[in-house]
Order: sequence, then structure tokens, then C-alpha cells
Amino acid sequence: DAKTTQPNSMESNEEEPVHLPCNHSTISGTDYIHWYRQLPSQGPEYVIHGLTSNVNNRMASLAIAEDRKSSTLILHRATLRDAAVYYCILRKGRAGNMLTFGGGTRLMVKP
Amino acid sequence: EPEVTQTPSHQVTQMGQEVILRCVPISNHLYFYWYRQILGQKVEFLVSFYNNEISEKSEIFDDQFSVERPDGSNFTLKIRSTKLEDSAMYFCASSGLASNTGELFFGEGSRLTVL
Repeated sequence: DAKTTQPNSMESNEEEPVHLPCNHSTISGTDYIHWYRQLPSQGPEYVIHGLTSNVNNRMASLAIAEDRKSSTLILHRATLRDAAVYYCILRKGRAGNMLTFGGGTRLMVKP
Repeated sequence: EPEVTQTPSHQVTQMGQEVILRCVPISNHLYFYWYRQILGQKVEFLVSFYNNEISEKSEIFDDQFSVERPDGSNFTLKIRSTKLEDSAMYFCASSGLASNTGELFFGEGSRLTVL
């Protein structure tokens, strides 16, 4: 499976935007870029996913580099509730395919 | 909003005992998964299940583990003879039919403590 690389941790101030980077230099043409997050003492939660184009939803935006070798998850205004571990995961576009979690980025949000 | 529910939230058992963890996936979902997370470590894939059979499993999912969908609503993970190293949080997940957009919905987890 193609691997992703994320910083171990990042810090942000509340109400400010956060850019969480992810490198995936060995991504293949059939890999979708998925982001999940895990709040303390909870199960993982879907955030967003994309293939080639940038994507927006109510939780976040996903900016994908033109060569697809990196992507950035953007939280437009961090809140204390966004403190979590964020996972960038490559997933084949096949029904029912499983997710492989790496170490993720632990985001700390300061009031 | 529909959600995946898991029971029990916490189970304490003696080494060598059998344990069954239960999950009720989202009702119209067809793909089911078990993951585990040992304290302080990564979330690890155990097994995926579709059409009443295992579709993928990891090296962790050895002969002491089994899964079942006994009644069309529950999805269970059985550990036949628990070991100390089985102590972990176990997460159930389900997803719908769509391929690339089939986001996984996770439950809150069942914490298993093996003494």
C-alpha cells in the first residue's frame, strides 16, 4: 500500500485556520486521499476525501497538489473541539476497501 | 443521525476466557469492519466482512478471532481464548455501497481489559 507521511504534532490557536500537511509521493492513480480524525476517547470520524480536485465540505477543505504527491487538510477556524489526531489515508476506489491508519498528526488547539 | 453502536463499552475478563464484542452497524450498510487500538498505539485493521463472509483480514486476525452476523442486525467479534495482549479498544465500523465515497462510520468502541 502507498504510504503517507504526516508531522507527529501541530499546534494552533483557537479561531485561526489550520493547515495539516500530508505527503504521499508513491500515490497511484487509483488511490483516493481520505482524512479521518479521532477525538480523545472516541472512534475515528470521517472528515473529507478527494481524488484530484480540491474539495470542500462543512467540516473542512482538502487541497490536493497538481501532481497528487501531497495534500493539505484545511480547518478554516479551529475550535477547541477540533483537538484530535488527524489521519491522512490513501484508499483504493473499490467498494468496501479497508482503511490503513498511520500515526497521524496530533492537533493541539490553544484558547 | 444514524450511528454504529457497540456493547459492552468496557469488559474486564480473565486470561483464557472467551469474549464476544457486539456491534449494531448502520441499517442499510453492507460492509462491516473491526479495528483495534492498543493504548497509545495506532488504529489497526482486523477484518472486513461482506455478504456473510470475510473479505479481508490482517495478520492479527488469527484463529482465536472470529466474526459473525448472526441475525441481520448484529455484527460480533469473538475472541476464543483471550491473552493479556488482547487488551485494547475495539472499534466496529460499517460502510455503504459506494466505492470511493464509502466513508466508514465507527462506533465509540469497546474497551477490553484482560487480566
